Amino acid sequence: DTGVSQDPRHKITKRGQNVTFRCDPISEHNRLYWYRQTLGQGPEFLTYFQNEAQLEKSRLLSDRFSAERPKGSFSTLEIQRTEQGDSAMYLCASSLGDRVTDTQYFGPGTRLTVL
Amino acid sequence: TQLLEQSPQFLSIQEGENLTVYCNSSSVFSSLQWYRQEPGEGPVLLVTVVTGGEVKKLKRLTFQFGDARKDSSLHITAAQPGDTGLYLCAGVKSSGGYQKVTFGTGTKLQVIP
Repeated sequence: DTGVSQDPRHKITKRGQNVTFRCDPISEHNRLYWYRQTLGQGPEFLTYFQNEAQLEKSRLLSDRFSAERPKGSFSTLEIQRTEQGDSAMYLCASSLGDRVTDTQYFGPGTRLTVL
Repeated sequence: TQLLEQSPQFLSIQEGENLTVYCNSSSVFSSLQWYRQEPGEGPVLLVTVVTGGEVKKLKRLTFQFGDARKDSSLHITAAQPGDTGLYLCAGVKSSGGYQKVTFGTGTKLQVIP
């Protein structure tokens, strides 16, 4: 399977703990995106990378959130001092960077539960 | 913040019935996409409509982009249990050299056998 993969698929943590999620995009895709989705709602944009450069961050991405893509391939999203309001599905997507369509392909997500 | 409102929010119908989902916004988009998402999975792109007034058909699904490129509809004919899922519309705009996707509020569809 050469689609977008995310790890772990599920994470349960206690309030105040730090968590880190990983996303492996489709291999030839140079753009990578993180979204957050709460139950029954549409995904909300968090941040976007072009290769290793983080080019846009949403206001939703508080100081406790940090994302990296060190070699322009996989990406990590870290949440420090988790709060119950951080409970959500965290989705990663990647795209080729084609000027015309630039379709984003989504991974299966990491479901975070903060107790 | 761009906001795409979908209606209805929830829909439970019998197999064989027809349905329409609406996606409305006050913003103009360069294109509009529809996704379907199943529990525990990421959204999967169904279609992209680009031109105002455009109609696209995908088997029993018909997608239409409004003339002003602010709204869209998804019509499903003779719904089947396999159509069950969360349907998301998403507006696309060019932003800083990439296509920024803003998702709608979602419509949860349940098709009962």
